Amino acid sequence: QQQVKQSPQSLIVQKGGISIINCAYENTAFDYFPWYQQFPGKGPALLIAIRPDVSEKKEGRFTISFNKSAKQFSLHIMDSQPGDSATYFCAAMYGNKLVFGAGTILRVKS
Amino acid sequence: EPEVTQTPSHQVTQMGQEVILRCVPISNHLYFYWYRQILGQKVEFLVSFYNNEISEKSEIFDDQFSVERPDGSNFTLKIRSTKLEDSAMYFCASTGESYEQYFGPGTRLTVT
Repeated sequence: QQQVKQSPQSLIVQKGGISIINCAYENTAFDYFPWYQQFPGKGPALLIAIRPDVSEKKEGRFTISFNKSAKQFSLHIMDSQPGDSATYFCAAMYGNKLVFGAGTILRVKS
Repeated sequence: EPEVTQTPSHQVTQMGQEVILRCVPISNHLYFYWYRQILGQKVEFLVSFYNNEISEKSEIFDDQFSVERPDGSNFTLKIRSTKLEDSAMYFCASTGESYEQYFGPGTRLTVT
């Protein structure tokens, strides 16, 4: 019930393309959904986050789409750049703890 | 920009030894957390701490683990008797009045 399922496991996108990562959850008690970016050997860095009363949030090239009825949310990275190559984790907050997805390794080819 | 810091960056210890991992959360933050990430796996919640007491802990956080805020700036995670399976990256995180959790760079713990 407290799992967050993330797909795909890995993704290769051409420079300038759109990267899309999807997550799904079961527990309707989750009330906050952040995305984190992690580079090798570093800690997860907060990228963008959304609350369930909003269907979309955009910050620069990063957009979260949220479908409350389907219990799904996704990250779109527009105009993907080689510097975006990293592991991306979706997460959901329950109480005051984050439950993370398994991660997506994104590689942007130049 | 304020950030969470952690020391040491890498700790090597022998099985059965005690280790203390240290964190300095962002100064005006109120909630503190420890997470761990076994190599190649997802980040897992260990414990949250607020107002000088544990507010929530996972099933991973057994009697071998303890947390402490010994002064106004540090937040520590102690593992009393390390096991091989404790080898992981340990991340400290903190949050203020919002939901946003900010993570430190992590401590790589290697148990031999």
